[in-house]
This record gives sequence, C-alpha cells and structure tokens, in this order.
Amino acid sequence: DAMVIQNPRYQVTQFGKPVTLSCSQTLNHNVMYWYQQKSSQAPKLLFHYYDKDFNNEADTPDNFQSRRPNTSFCFLDIRSPGLGDAAMYLCATSSGVTGGADTQYFGPGTRLTVL
Amino acid sequence: TQLLEQSPQFLSIQEGENLTVYCNSSSVFSSLQWYRQEPGEGPVLLVTVVTGGEVKKLKRLTFQFGDARKDSSLHITAAQPGDTGLYLCAGDTGTASKLTFGTGTRLQVTL
Repeated sequence: DAMVIQNPRYQVTQFGKPVTLSCSQTLNHNVMYWYQQKSSQAPKLLFHYYDKDFNNEADTPDNFQSRRPNTSFCFLDIRSPGLGDAAMYLCATSSGVTGGADTQYFGPGTRLTVL
Repeated sequence: TQLLEQSPQFLSIQEGENLTVYCNSSSVFSSLQWYRQEPGEGPVLLVTVVTGGEVKKLKRLTFQFGDARKDSSLHITAAQPGDTGLYLCAGDTGTASKLTFGTGTRLQVTL
C-alpha cells in the first residue's frame, strides 16, 4: 500500500502560471520534506516541516512556498514557474527521531514541465 | 559542509557480473541509507545501517557501514537487468532531521 502519495504524477504548466503540487502520507510521520531533483542528480532539499515548524533551506528561491495544513498533507506552491523549475519534485516523510536512524520514505514524485 | 562522494558515477556491466559501489565522507553519520531510483520514480529505500561495522544483506545486495561510520559500500552479486537504476547513499547526522545525499551512481545492467 502506498505510504507517501503525490498528485499529480505529471504536471504541465505555463511559464509564470502558479502551480501547486500535493503530497499526503499514511505513516503519521512528524516530518515532511520537499526535494527538487534534476536529471541524474541527487535530490536537493527545498524545505521541510517538523510538525508545524517550517524550515527553509538558505538557497531555496522565494518562488517556492509550502503549506502543511495537517499532519497528513503538505503542498508545494511555485508562484511563478520558470523554465529552470522544470524537474522532478519529491516528497518524503520521516518520524523525526534524533540520535538514531531517521529514515526518510519517498513518494513517487511529480514530474513538472514548464512550457 | 558535509559531502558524500559516491564512486563510480557510472557503471555499465553485463548480467551476472559483480560490482561494488562506494560512499565516502569525512563526516560521521549516525545512520546511512541506501536508495535505488528508477527513471520517473521516487527513490526506494533499500536499507538503513546504524552501527559501525554493520553488514546487512538483502538477497544479492550486501551493505556495509564503515567502522568509523564515515563510509559505506554496496556490493551486488550476479547483477541482473532489474538492478538497473540510480543508487543513492544518504547520511543522517542525527540532528536537524536532514539527510546528506551522495552524488549518485548510475548502474546499467545489460543482457
């Protein structure tokens, strides 16, 4: 059974047209992450939520925003997509345990195309 | 800045061959995860290693965590086309709930 679900799997948007990607989880994990992954590269962390606490990476553009209305759902909003934002967007979750193995579980990703 | 270097970056082998992928860092990690990612999909967790010197086996895959918890290796015996994918190691420092990802190893296994 899917534990981290991302919708849609494929999203096409126009240059400058806002787009929202969604992620839900059935693991009841405290932490939810958004990553951007470009071709054959490692995932790049954009931000994460520990419960309701939002943690932005220093190099994440202001164009990227996130919302976590409850434990299960997290959204990635791209306010004005540019051609360089075309990528795979990955959502992940973890329990948030410290001092040990805080394994992250990934969703299948949303492939974003910007025309 | 913590870095995880993976080697090799690319590997193309024939079915039945053995291979080893290395993941090295100068930083100590409280745990390390290995993922396999197929094109168009998210990374799928293969294993988490926690204890220095730990060895875990998953069918034909053998994972080892270095004694000092700074490095890890993945050994595949008798590779099959289904092993094709991007292999990523990722280290957890035990704080801040963030992973440091390795640079990735793209494996292609042909018939």
